[in-house]
Amino acid sequence: QVQLQESGPGLVKPSQTLSLTCTVSGGSISSGGHYWNWIRQHPGKGLEWIGYIHYSGGTYYNPSLKSRVSISVELSKNQFSLKLDSVTAADTAVYYCARVGYGDFGYWGQGTLVTVSS
Amino acid sequence: QTVVTQEPSLTVSPGGTVTLTCASSTGAVTSGSYPNWFQQKPGQTPPRPLIYSTSIKHSWTPARFSGSLLGGKAALTLSGVQPEDEAEYYCLLYFGGAWVFGGGTKLTVL
Repeated sequence: QVQLQESGPGLVKPSQTLSLTCTVSGGSISSGGHYWNWIRQHPGKGLEWIGYIHYSGGTYYNPSLKSRVSISVELSKNQFSLKLDSVTAADTAVYYCARVGYGDFGYWGQGTLVTVSS
Repeated sequence: QTVVTQEPSLTVSPGGTVTLTCASSTGAVTSGSYPNWFQQKPGQTPPRPLIYSTSIKHSWTPARFSGSLLGGKAALTLSGVQPEDEAEYYCLLYFGGAWVFGGGTKLTVL
């Protein structure tokens, strides 16, 4: 059973870079048919897809965040990571990592709240 | 910017049937949009996946939930609604690279 777990600072200062890591267990991140995603949910609001990475390194980002987002993969650690630059209070959200394969978004991490505040 | 639209709110009586829809600003939703549906109750994280690839249920999805394409939209139908089905429901569509969530439908069971 694949499990995903987000980790990283819960508090980030405005204008700094938000950095989160997702550790995958119970399965290999190198599985060819799967893409590894970041999704966020602002407090009391809906879901927003941020982007994904394939183990080969290919990425695709939400056009509205593309200028500030970077997703990378660390195959040896079975992890993938999110970096979001120049954060503001509007980036305060619960951040989720999730796996999609063959149209199936069935596996998510529990989510981690990141607050942007000085 | 592609927009995915859901009904903001719906109300259904216990035991009734309700259909939630998910529309794309780019045109008809097809199987190639790989529609996914999620349920989220207050305070619940993460959202619970219900349906993927239009109509395929996860092993944990109750039989009363079903997915389909209906009139150019993705649809989630709940038959024999239970009080515990009161929740926010989100759809997710694929657009040739990017994924886009709908704004969610708040389902009230009353």
